[in-house]
Amino acid sequence: RKEVEQDPGPFNVPEGATVAFNCTYSNSASQSFFWYRQDCRKEPKLLMSVYSSGNEDGRFTAQLNRASQYISLLIRDSKLSDSATYLCVVDNAGNMLTFGGGTRLMVKP
Amino acid sequence: NAGVTQTPKFQVLKTGQSMTLQCAQDMNHEYMSWYRQDPGMGLRLIHYSVGAGITDQGEVPNGYNVSRSTTEDFPLRLLSAAPSQTSVYFCASSPDSPNEQFFGPGTRLTVL
Repeated sequence: RKEVEQDPGPFNVPEGATVAFNCTYSNSASQSFFWYRQDCRKEPKLLMSVYSSGNEDGRFTAQLNRASQYISLLIRDSKLSDSATYLCVVDNAGNMLTFGGGTRLMVKP
Repeated sequence: NAGVTQTPKFQVLKTGQSMTLQCAQDMNHEYMSWYRQDPGMGLRLIHYSVGAGITDQGEVPNGYNVSRSTTEDFPLRLLSAAPSQTSVYFCASSPDSPNEQFFGPGTRLTVL
């Protein structure tokens, strides 16, 4: 079983739609969780950290469910510019992060 | 600030050749790391450093060496290139832990 698992997609949605991604992790000792965004042939960039209480940044909402060991990312009112691969990232309770394989989102006009 | 810079952007090697991928950051970050990204595999940690003079192995360290003589620089050396090392290599840094890392633009390496 992979340490961090994501549905690779692609998720094809129309502009204005709401879309949600889930990610499961296997290390119950993990304390830090993140979503990164990666555009085609570019470097990953931090989108948001995920806190126990959940957090929201504009159209983006991240949630953490420790009991079921998953985190989620909700994107409301999708824009064409949201098309990218979204990487779920979890710390392994040490000095290292583990990246999921990514979920590809394509927003269509 | 230039952030995290990597050179070269592209490189083609023959099997058995050695080379060094350069990484530098100007944000005075203590934590630096090297990842490789292969299709369908996600990013995998090769080596990391929590400060000058300190390095440690990540998930896939075999075939690679690193050193950290200064806070700014964290070069990655391929000792004897193999086709399995064909990948995109990213360097990243963060203030003092692996959390919230800033990535460089990447080096696309092909080993023939």
